[in-house]
Amino acid sequence: TQLLEQSPQFLSIQEGENLTVYCNSSSVFSSLQWYRQEPGEGPVLLVTVVTGGEVKKLKRLTFQFGDARKDSSLHITAAQPGDTGLYLCAAPNAGNNRKLIWGLGTSLAVNP
Amino acid sequence: DVKVTQSSRYLVKRTGEKVFLECVQDMDHENMFWYRQDPGLGLRLIYFSYDVKMKEKGDIPEGYSVSREKKERFSLILESASTNQTSMYLCASSFRGLRKPQHFGDGTRLSIL
Repeated sequence: TQLLEQSPQFLSIQEGENLTVYCNSSSVFSSLQWYRQEPGEGPVLLVTVVTGGEVKKLKRLTFQFGDARKDSSLHITAAQPGDTGLYLCAAPNAGNNRKLIWGLGTSLAVNP
Repeated sequence: DVKVTQSSRYLVKRTGEKVFLECVQDMDHENMFWYRQDPGLGLRLIYFSYDVKMKEKGDIPEGYSVSREKKERFSLILESASTNQTSMYLCASSFRGLRKPQHFGDGTRLSIL
């Protein structure tokens, strides 16, 4: 069974701090997506990583795909209250790639 | 801009009722999905559809059915609602393809009393 484990489950920090959240698996994935879900809304795609070792930047967010394509991290620099939300990672299900496997998410609160 | 619209933001129904949740997308996406989201359990796939009139069971299909008569519309049906189906329901759509992103609606918070 393919699983995506996200850590930490909850994170509460002050504005301006840096943080890293993780998405780990024992399975190899062809790609991995990160989504952010704000309260009262559906998840929104942030980035897709495809190549092992790939690093993508989205303003203050840096995404990395592990060399072996089993894990990924999201680093936020100088967090702002607008970064508050649930960060979800997802990857294609090897058994049926029409479906995604989802992690449980990291709930981030950035306090002013 | 991409739009996935769910018919209700909040819905309250009684045990045993037949409940319909509607989802419409305006992006000509082939794939459509229904998830439920519960604290501690994350997003769980109920059903999905990869073409009109085509459907596949997800991870938790029991107690649910779906209908896709038109490409833009995907309906989730709770045949006989039960209290354990109280949840946030999210609809999503995507183009066919391994790395295509899913686009979500804002969800329907359903309470079964």
